[in-house]
Amino acid sequence: DAEITQSPRHKITETGRQVTLACHQTWNHNNMFWYRQDLGHGLRLIHYSYGVQDTNKGEVSDGYSVSRSNTEDLPLTLESAASSQTSVYFCASSAALGLATTNEQFFGPGTRLTVL
Amino acid sequence: GQQLNQSPQSMFIQEGEDVSMNCTSSSIFNTWLWYKQDPGEGPVLLIALYKAGELTSNGRLTAQFGITRKDSFLNISASIPSDVGIYFCAGTNTGNQFYFGTGTSLTVIP
Repeated sequence: DAEITQSPRHKITETGRQVTLACHQTWNHNNMFWYRQDLGHGLRLIHYSYGVQDTNKGEVSDGYSVSRSNTEDLPLTLESAASSQTSVYFCASSAALGLATTNEQFFGPGTRLTVL
Repeated sequence: GQQLNQSPQSMFIQEGEDVSMNCTSSSIFNTWLWYKQDPGEGPVLLIALYKAGELTSNGRLTAQFGITRKDSFLNISASIPSDVGIYFCAGTNTGNQFYFGTGTSLTVIP
């Protein structure tokens, strides 16, 4: 069955370190998204991609970067981790733009990141 | 960024009761979706709505795309303990921007 996975599921790191969170989907979806979820803020969009080599900034992109070298993966990098980036991070994917189901996003299980 | 206004913020109900929650936006939306999130998991898509006035069911869940295109409703009939979780609305506006609501936390008391 097609799925979307994230790794690691839990990560503790120190302020200033570079951290990369992995996201892998086997839906063959063109679109991939990264969100962070914090109490009182719901889900906020960090970065998104509509296809290979395409990346776009979301609502809260400062301090994060992504790259899309293939269809299946969209890793999220925190260049220099800060305590304000302690959060739960979710990756999602959806079908290509223009398709009827393009807005139906499917989510991974999440990565809980703690920055000390 | 724009957030969808979801209400109520939390609900505590007895098993067997019906549940209603809604989501409103200040602008017109082309798509409304409803997700459920269990603790420690990612949101799972429950229902997707694509047309104003559309009423769609998924088992005991029923959702409606408001006629004004600025709101949507989710109803759960005859609640059971496994309905516990956080329910999120989401939608896409006319500029194809995707937004999530702030969530409704549902507790079902056996």
